[in-house]
Amino acid sequence: AQKITQTQPGMFVQEKEAVTLDCTYDTSDPSYGLFWYKQPSSGEMIFLIYQGSYDQQNATEGRYSLNFQKARKSANLVISASQLGDSAMYFCAMRELMYSGGGADGLTFGKGTHLIIQP
Amino acid sequence: DGGITQSPKYLFRKEGQNVTLSCEQNLNHDAMYWYRQDPGQGLRLIYYSQIVNDFQKGDIAEGYSVSREKKESFPLTVTSAQKNPTAFYLCASSRDRGLSLRTEAFFGQGTRLTVV
Repeated sequence: AQKITQTQPGMFVQEKEAVTLDCTYDTSDPSYGLFWYKQPSSGEMIFLIYQGSYDQQNATEGRYSLNFQKARKSANLVISASQLGDSAMYFCAMRELMYSGGGADGLTFGKGTHLIIQP
Repeated sequence: DGGITQSPKYLFRKEGQNVTLSCEQNLNHDAMYWYRQDPGQGLRLIYYSQIVNDFQKGDIAEGYSVSREKKESFPLTVTSAQKNPTAFYLCASSRDRGLSLRTEAFFGQGTRLTVV
């Protein structure tokens, strides 16, 4: 089973509108962290926002916020007032505490959502 | 400026050849990672290293090898045993050894490898 599911392969959004990118995750570890990364056409991965499983409040970073619904295991990224420069691939990723301690140490990524902002 | 440098940006390999992708970081990070990205796919972990002279296999290590002789360098060799090496390869580093969930990974700009 996939650990990170992003159900929107692509999205078109009008400039200045808000956009929500969906992410659901699967883990039995009570301690985990969720990340969102942006990948522009240049290829590098840019960290956007982080949410810890025990964080009481939804994370916010400028125009980015995370709608964290722990019981539903969802961590949707919300971009307010979208801009043309927001056009990119967006990846949701997870790090699990148990997974980090004994096995592979990296992040588990979803397949991404290709967001295109239209003028 | 601190960051991660991957070279080359584009690499072409003939079938049967080994090639080495370079990754250098000047962030003084302990942990380094190699990921593979295929079109329409997320990143998959190839190898990671938490400390010099030590590294661990990730989810798709077959056909790849790495070394970690210096803290700042983590080269990846794509061997002829890798059946489908054409992909985009990303190197990353993080401050600690993954003991903190919060630690973000910083990425290089990637190397696009094509087998011809």
